[in-house]
Amino acid sequence: DSGVTQTPKHLITATGQRVTLRCSPRSGDLSVYWYQQSLDQGLQFLIQYYNGEERAKGNILERFSAQQFPDLHSELNLSSLELGDSALYFCASSVTRSSYEQYFGPGTRLTVT
Amino acid sequence: GQNIDQPTEMTATEGAIVQINCTYQTSGFNGLFWYQQHAGEAPTFLSYNVLDGLEEKGRFSSFLSRSKGYSYLLLKELQMKDSASYLCAVRDHNAGNMLTFGGGTRLMVKP
Repeated sequence: DSGVTQTPKHLITATGQRVTLRCSPRSGDLSVYWYQQSLDQGLQFLIQYYNGEERAKGNILERFSAQQFPDLHSELNLSSLELGDSALYFCASSVTRSSYEQYFGPGTRLTVT
Repeated sequence: GQNIDQPTEMTATEGAIVQINCTYQTSGFNGLFWYQQHAGEAPTFLSYNVLDGLEEKGRFSSFLSRSKGYSYLLLKELQMKDSASYLCAVRDHNAGNMLTFGGGTRLMVKP
């Protein structure tokens, strides 16, 4: 158990819908990272927040957005969902902005039908 | 951008040694990471190399050559539970220090 929690564990929804994935980092970690893992794309970095501020952006679609709240939990919002958005979404946390060790949560499996 | 290559699949025998290679191209290298990921589970951190040489941690070792853009993960005394995907990732300070992952190497350990 990494200490990072993610909810929900599974999510099934229809195309065009909007969902919110939630992540709570390890106690004391200020950085939160979001990753998408699909069968054909591997693990792709989406976005990083550090202490409430956006720190780095990867291959995140405009339909996706995220935020980190004052209690340091983070939410990833996915809208206008497409079949291709079906994937495992992982959250990871680390102590500082560029810690070398990231701790991954168990992931949310999103299925878009 | 970055380009990270690692073999897609490997098979090895229980008790043996296996070496998983990773080559990369990056403009602002700032560390190479190895993660283990069992199917459907979260990646777990195995090792980190930022200087050339070998880092040993129990049955697992990781090697880095920055001049060659090359790393390997060495797994000794293989156990059935080592069957998993092994992800090589590179951090680039020209890309906000974010991690870019390779496609992963699926290792199957056979009795």
